[in-house]
Amino acid sequence: DAKTTQPNSMESNEEEPVHLPCNHSTISGTDYIHWYRQLPSQGPEYVIHGLTSNVNNRMASLAIAEDRKSSTLILHRATLRDAAVYYCILRDLTTAGGTSYGKLTFGQGTILTVHP
Amino acid sequence: EAQVTQNPRYLITVTGKKLTVTCSQNMNHEYMSWYRQDPGLGLRQIYYSMNVEVTDKGDVPEGYKVSRKEKRNFPLILESPSPNQTSLYFCASSLRPSWAAEQYFGPGTRLTVT
Repeated sequence: DAKTTQPNSMESNEEEPVHLPCNHSTISGTDYIHWYRQLPSQGPEYVIHGLTSNVNNRMASLAIAEDRKSSTLILHRATLRDAAVYYCILRDLTTAGGTSYGKLTFGQGTILTVHP
Repeated sequence: EAQVTQNPRYLITVTGKKLTVTCSQNMNHEYMSWYRQDPGLGLRQIYYSMNVEVTDKGDVPEGYKVSRKEKRNFPLILESPSPNQTSLYFCASSLRPSWAAEQYFGPGTRLTVT
């Protein structure tokens, strides 16, 4: 499985932008880049995903390097509610019993602290 | 409201006493999965199900069983729990098992086996 590397922790101030980096130098051409986050005492929550082009949604933006070996999750204005562990995941295609499925393999993620 | 529910949310039990953690989703999702989360080890997949009556092992299936008799339910069964199964468990579902499908997670079940 292709691996990702993220900083263990990052800090931000409220209402400032946050750029969370992720390195995935062994990414394959068919790997989607997914970001999930886990707020304290909750289950993981989907944030965004992309393949090659930059993506935007109501929660965040995803900037993908041209060679796809790295990506950055951008929170445009951090709030206290954004304090969480952020996981960058490569969604690989694994075949089981003749039916393909995409497996989520979680790493350690980046602990984001947001200061008031 | 679209959601994944798990019951119970907290459970303390003794070694060897069979237990079931229920998981239910109301989104008509085909794909469901169980994960466990342990400090320093992250989330690891236990079992998954592509659809009704189709289940398969994940990365850490030992000591667990699952069944998928209805599309909405995917219970996790511990026939003879042991202390090393003390963990935080999450159920997840997605519309399709495809690699681009967003997964929805339940709130978690914290299990302690003494």
